[in-house]
Amino acid sequence: DVKVTQSSRYLVKRTGEKVFLECVQDMDHENMFWYRQDPGLGLRLIYFSYDVKMKEKGDIPEGYSVSREKKERFSLILESASTNQTSMYLCASSPSGFPSYEQYFGPGTRLTVT
Amino acid sequence: KNEVEQSPQNLTAQEGEFITINCSYSVGISALHWLQQHPGGGIVSLFMLSSGKKKHGRLIATINIQEKHSSLHITASHPRDSAVYICAAVYSGGGADGLTFGKGTHLIIQP
Repeated sequence: DVKVTQSSRYLVKRTGEKVFLECVQDMDHENMFWYRQDPGLGLRLIYFSYDVKMKEKGDIPEGYSVSREKKERFSLILESASTNQTSMYLCASSPSGFPSYEQYFGPGTRLTVT
Repeated sequence: KNEVEQSPQNLTAQEGEFITINCSYSVGISALHWLQQHPGGGIVSLFMLSSGKKKHGRLIATINIQEKHSSLHITASHPRDSAVYICAAVYSGGGADGLTFGKGTHLIIQP
């Protein structure tokens, strides 16, 4: 089975802190994604990566950056956390050929910024 | 950006009822995904379909490309079906970011 893991299930950070969210997949997938999910807004794409060291902005990249140094690992970075970044963050991966193939999601990280 | 509309937003039903969740989209797509999210956050892909109908256990997904509409049906619903169901449309010509999500339908099945 494909497994996508995220570094934390729950995280509490202070305003202004630098925050790292890590995602690891074990199926050699080319594509990896970071989404945030907020009530009433659904899933929104922050960044995605289709190869090592490659990244593309999604719908809401402002305030975020990403890093993909190895194929299996995709990190989301909040350079200076703000309260409006309190949200559920979901990582996903998929084989090349997406979106014609399914995505596999991690369990999510619920981030609270105080 | 292209829209995906789901209805209803919330649905509460009794165990055993037949459930229908609807998804409509604004322009032509190449495929549509149905996802399930249980309390706690994890999302599982249920179906990906580009035409006709797919069935897995008590779940059935249909799509009508011409009418720009897809439905997810649950037969003999059970409390363990309680979850948020999300449809996501694959817009033709879109790359890896060519997936547009609906806002989800929150389903509660009461015993």
